[in-house]
Amino acid sequence: SQQGEEDPQALSIQEGENATMNCSYKTSINNLQWYRQNSGRGLVHLILIRSNEREKHSGRLRVTLDTSKKSSSLLITASRAADTASYFCATVTNTGTASKLTFGTGTRLQVTL
Amino acid sequence: DTGVSQNPRHKITKRGQNVTFRCDPISEHNRLYWYRQTLGQGPEFLTYFQNEAQLEKSRLLSDRFSAERPKGSFSTLEIQRTEQGDSAMYLCASSLGTNSGNTIYFGEGSWLTVV
Repeated sequence: SQQGEEDPQALSIQEGENATMNCSYKTSINNLQWYRQNSGRGLVHLILIRSNEREKHSGRLRVTLDTSKKSSSLLITASRAADTASYFCATVTNTGTASKLTFGTGTRLQVTL
Repeated sequence: DTGVSQNPRHKITKRGQNVTFRCDPISEHNRLYWYRQTLGQGPEFLTYFQNEAQLEKSRLLSDRFSAERPKGSFSTLEIQRTEQGDSAMYLCASSLGTNSGNTIYFGEGSWLTVV
């Protein structure tokens, strides 16, 4: 079953604009990870944010986490055509020995020239 | 290349045949995961190994599915008597550590088409 939902399901912007994707989840988590997936390819890890963190940056990426609202956001600044992909959030819950990821349904981002 | 490696990348098989996928995790990663992804959906957890021990299996993993990691290194996922509903991308991932706070790295996936 899917843990969370990404919003919007699809997003189309022009190159140079910022893209914001949101993720909501249902249960308490250990950490939340964002992944990118180009069409037909595997998942590329972007950022991991732990439950005691509120914001992390990596290059043009900014991730926030609000555990009280059970939500996270991914901001891509100054988008490029190469950012076109699906973006997934995935949560790791406190399940003892397991650290499996539970994914949302993803946001399809289209960046046009 | 030190990433997660999966073979074959694509497999077309007739309904009723058996297929096997192989995953080579990142060297020294003790945890290995299998996921399945269908078009338009996020990946869904199938099973998880810590070293050679299979610690958890999803209800999605029917009796026709079996996964092994005999020496705690590479893993195989076998699907017996394939059905058209098994058509999907099968993703392998690995991570290092014994706690839940580590990055999980994915391979490129193995596409299965059952005709």
